Amino acid sequence: EIVLTQSPDFQSVTPKEKVTITCRASQSIGSSLHWYQQKPDQSPNLLIKYASQSISGVPSRFSGSGSGTDFTLTINSLEAEDAATYYCHQSSSLPHTFGGGTKVEIK
Amino acid sequence: QVQLQESGPGLVKPSQTLSLTCTVSGGSISSGYNFWTWIRQPAGKGLEWIGHIHTSGSTNYNPSLKSRVTISVDTSKNQFSLKLKSVTAADAAVYYCARARDGYNRYFDLWGRGTLVTVSS
Repeated sequence: EIVLTQSPDFQSVTPKEKVTITCRASQSIGSSLHWYQQKPDQSPNLLIKYASQSISGVPSRFSGSGSGTDFTLTINSLEAEDAATYYCHQSSSLPHTFGGGTKVEIK
Repeated sequence: QVQLQESGPGLVKPSQTLSLTCTVSGGSISSGYNFWTWIRQPAGKGLEWIGHIHTSGSTNYNPSLKSRVTISVDTSKNQFSLKLKSVTAADAAVYYCARARDGYNRYFDLWGRGTLVTVSS
């Protein structure tokens, strides 16, 4: 199965700062990489699909990039409501797999 | 709009079978080429894909659980279900149902709220 490694595991950030989360795949997955936000006691919510495609209703400060094995989620100008855990997910091959998550805390 | 809702016992005894159902509302489970999916998340941990089903009956399971998992669909009730047999404490988790829209190799665009399953005697 394809292993996704996220970094960092945890990030404490001041509002309006820029946040960068990386996700590395154990083999090439093209652009079949998606990002989700999960707030406490909520289900995950799709943020970015296919590495860089935006999702209707998701604030434009969230963006994604990358292809192959290396991907990045960027949050420009962090807001307090962005406190959450972020997961990457690959759908290139079965079984679907997820990264271990990155918890973003607001200072 | 389409919504998903998980239901089932919140407590299962070790060695018994966990059974959950996901009800699809606001649309037909048979429309489109969607794959109806189960995902779980142990407390404080990450997400694990369990498997999925298409309304044709086609299924795929995570190899790590394949020997214990069955996913089925009931189109007349607009539901799909999960059975996980011989559960242990390691199976305690929040179980989510989700939709992979228009293909099995897609993102999950719709999630249920999740249901907590505890494994204890």
